Amino acid sequence: DTGVSQDPRHKITKRGQNVTFRCDPISEHNRLYWYRQTLGQGPEFLTYFQNEAQLEKSRLLSDRFSAERPKGSFSTLEIQRTEQGDSAMYLCASSPSSRDRGTEAFFGQGTRLTVV
Amino acid sequence: DQQVKQNSPSLSVQEGRISILNCDYTNSMFDYFLWYKKYPAEGPTFLISISSIKDKNEDGRFTVFLNKSAKHLSLHIVPSQPGDSAVYFCAALRGGTSYGKLTFGQGTILTVHP
Repeated sequence: DTGVSQDPRHKITKRGQNVTFRCDPISEHNRLYWYRQTLGQGPEFLTYFQNEAQLEKSRLLSDRFSAERPKGSFSTLEIQRTEQGDSAMYLCASSPSSRDRGTEAFFGQGTRLTVV
Repeated sequence: DQQVKQNSPSLSVQEGRISILNCDYTNSMFDYFLWYKKYPAEGPTFLISISSIKDKNEDGRFTVFLNKSAKHLSLHIVPSQPGDSAVYFCAALRGGTSYGKLTFGQGTILTVHP
């Protein structure tokens, strides 16, 4: 399977715990995005990487959130001291920079986080 | 601040008929628009897009119309099929950016009845 892969698919954690999600983009894609989707809403942009450089962060990404893409391949999203409001679907997407912006963004299946 | 709005949470259509999904936006800086389809337990998949220099783009059964003056776009599916039942998201890209930071609407649940 050469699509965008996210792990885990589901995560239940207690409030105050730290969680980390992983995204493996399509191998030749150098653009990587994280989005968050809550119930009844569309995905909201969190952050963007061009290779290993994090070029934009949304104000939604509080200081409890950190994302990395150390070697320009896979990415991790960590949430520290989770809160119930962090419960959402976390989506990763990737696209090649040689294509038109946005039209070839491929999404993973997401990680559903539930904070209890 | 909802810059992209899909005011119909759901739409029900008979198989073979036309489905029309609507989307409004407020930010004049948006210059590229996309529709994504999402099945349960899957990520969104790209369906069709349109640049602001056009007013129509067609791909098989799917046509997107853009009315810039009204800041309105719509997705037409003809004929609708039961397999089209999914959540449809409208999304927009802001001009001046070189990468795909998407602003999404809330989504419309389309149900196509056999």
